[in-house]
Order: sequence, then C-alpha cells, then structure tokens
Amino acid sequence: LAKTTQPISMDSYEGQEVNITCSHNNIATNDYITWYQQFPSQGPRFIIQGYKTKVTNEVASLFIPADRKSSTLSLPRVSLSDTAVYYCLVGAFSGGYNKLIFGAGTRLAVHP
Amino acid sequence: EPEVTQTPSHQVTQMGQEVILRCVPISNHLYFYWYRQILGQKVEFLVSFYNNEISEKSEIFDDQFSVERPDGSNFTLKIRSTKLEDSAMYFCASIAGGSSYEQYFGPGTRLTVT
Repeated sequence: LAKTTQPISMDSYEGQEVNITCSHNNIATNDYITWYQQFPSQGPRFIIQGYKTKVTNEVASLFIPADRKSSTLSLPRVSLSDTAVYYCLVGAFSGGYNKLIFGAGTRLAVHP
Repeated sequence: EPEVTQTPSHQVTQMGQEVILRCVPISNHLYFYWYRQILGQKVEFLVSFYNNEISEKSEIFDDQFSVERPDGSNFTLKIRSTKLEDSAMYFCASIAGGSSYEQYFGPGTRLTVT
C-alpha cells in the first residue's frame, strides 16, 4: 500500500469550504484513493473514493490530478458536526477483500 | 440503512481473563474484519475473515486472539488472556465483496483491562 502524507490538523469555521490534501507519491497503477471520516468514539465511516479526475457525492468532492500523486478532499460549507479525523487511504480497493491501513489522519476542527 | 452492530459497548475485565467481543455484520456481506484503536492512536488492522477462515492477520493478532463465525450472523473476537495493553476500542467491519469497496464499521467495543 502506498504511503500517504496529510496534515496533522486543520482549523476552519462554519460555512467555509475545507480542502484537505493528501500526498501519495508512490501510488500504483491499480490503486484507488479513499477517504474515511471518524468521529470520537465511533468507527470510521466511508466518505468517497476515486481513481482519477473528480468524484462528487452528496457529502464531498475528491479532486485527483493527472499524475495521481496527490488528492484533495473538499468539504463544502462545513458545520460543527464535520469536526472529525479524516483519513486518506491508497490501495487496490477495486473490490473484493481489502484490509484498510490507516495513518494518523487529519484532525479537522470546525469553529463557530 | 443496514449497519454493523457490536456488543457490548464497553467491557471491563481483569488482566488474564478471557473476553469475547461480538459483532453482527451486515447480512449479505462476505468479508469481515477486526480493527483496534488504542486511545489517541491510529486504527490498526487485526484480522480479516472470509469463507469461514482467516484471510490475513497482522502481527498484533497473536495466539491470544481468535475469531469465529459461529452461525450465519455473528462474528466474534476472543482474547484468551487479556493484558493491560489490550485496552482499546475494537471495531468490527464488513464489506459486501465483489465490486463493492466500502467497508462498514460498527460503533466499537471499548475494552478496559485492569
């Protein structure tokens, strides 16, 4: 699994857009980029997955440049409830069995 | 929306005792996992389970640990002789398999070993 690097922490305010960037220089051809969210004392929750370009769902957008060596999770108009740890994972998640290897994640704090 | 459930939510045990953590994965899922998270640290993979056998296990998953799917719904993690350092949140997760890639995590069991 490719090593990922993301900021340890970020601060934002309600209503702002938050962009969390993850570096994964050694991403392999078969690797996908997946983001999970974890609230305190809860299990991680899947947010979004992508392979290239842009993916959008009801929660977030994921931007992946052509070289795929980095990716950016974009959370539009955050609220206090978006305060959580966000994990960027890279691996061959194309389906079937796949263990998840979590890093330290980015601790996002949203302030009033 | 279907969800993974875990019981108990909190388990307190004495060092050396056996504990069994229980999970009910989503009913049509095929792959099952246990992870743990020591307070303030990252989520760590323990073991994966498919077709009634262990697919992969980490270095943490030593002989003191075992998993079982005793029936069609439950998935258990047993720690034979708990140690202080086993204190952590234990998360069960499941995935449908095939082209599905989203792992669904349960709410966790907080294990405290005294």
